[in-house]
Amino acid sequence: DVKVTQSSRYLVKRTGEKVFLECVQDMDHENMFWYRQDPGLGLRLIYFSYDVKMKEKGDIPEGYSVSREKKERFSLILESASTNQTSMYLCASSRPGQGLIGQYFGPGTRLTVT
Amino acid sequence: SQQGEEDPQALSIQEGENATMNCSYKTSINNLQWYRQNSGRGLVHLILIRSNEREKHSGRLRVTLDTSKKSSSLLITASRAADTASYFCATVSNSKLTFGKGITLSVRP
Repeated sequence: DVKVTQSSRYLVKRTGEKVFLECVQDMDHENMFWYRQDPGLGLRLIYFSYDVKMKEKGDIPEGYSVSREKKERFSLILESASTNQTSMYLCASSRPGQGLIGQYFGPGTRLTVT
Repeated sequence: SQQGEEDPQALSIQEGENATMNCSYKTSINNLQWYRQNSGRGLVHLILIRSNEREKHSGRLRVTLDTSKKSSSLLITASRAADTASYFCATVSNSKLTFGKGITLSVRP
C-alpha cells in the first residue's frame, strides 16, 4: 500500500514563526500536492510538484513556499506564520502519468497559529 | 472557485439503508472522482468516472454521471456504521482538480 506520511498530526506555532510541514511518500510517486482544508471551503490547492526541483503554484500560494529536493519528500513552508493560516494541511501524491487521478493523501497536519 | 457542489450537506441514515449523495458542477469535465474522509484523517480515493461513462460500480458503491445535467451521484448500498465519514466529489477540468465542500454522512447503528 502507498503510504504518505506527514511529520506532525498537530502543531501549534506563534505568529511570525517560520513553519515547516514535511510530507514523505514511499511509492516513488512523481506527483505531490499540498492542500489546505477549511470548514465550508473544502480543499484548496496551495502548491504542487511533478518532479524533483519542480514546483507550480496552485490556487492559494500566497504566504507559502515549497521545497522538493528529493523525489519522496515535499515540504511546505510558511515563511512568517499568520493566524489566517490556521488550518488542516493535507499532502497528497499520485502515480506517474496520473497527476490528477486517484491521489493518495496523508493523515493531515492540524496547524494552529496563535 | 468551487467546481463541484455536493448535496445534501449532511445526511443521516439507519444502518442497512442506502445513501445517495449528489454532486453538481458548472463546466465540462474530463472525469469526476469521489473521495471519503474519516474524521480527522486524510482523504481516500473511492472511485473515478470518466466523462464518456454513465455508470460505474465498485463493491457497494455505484456512481452515475449525467453530463447533460452536469451532475453525478454516489450511491452506497446497505450502509454500515463504518461508512460514517465526509464524502467529496472532485472534478478534473482543464488540467485542474477541484474538490467540493463535502457531505457529512452519519450511519446510525
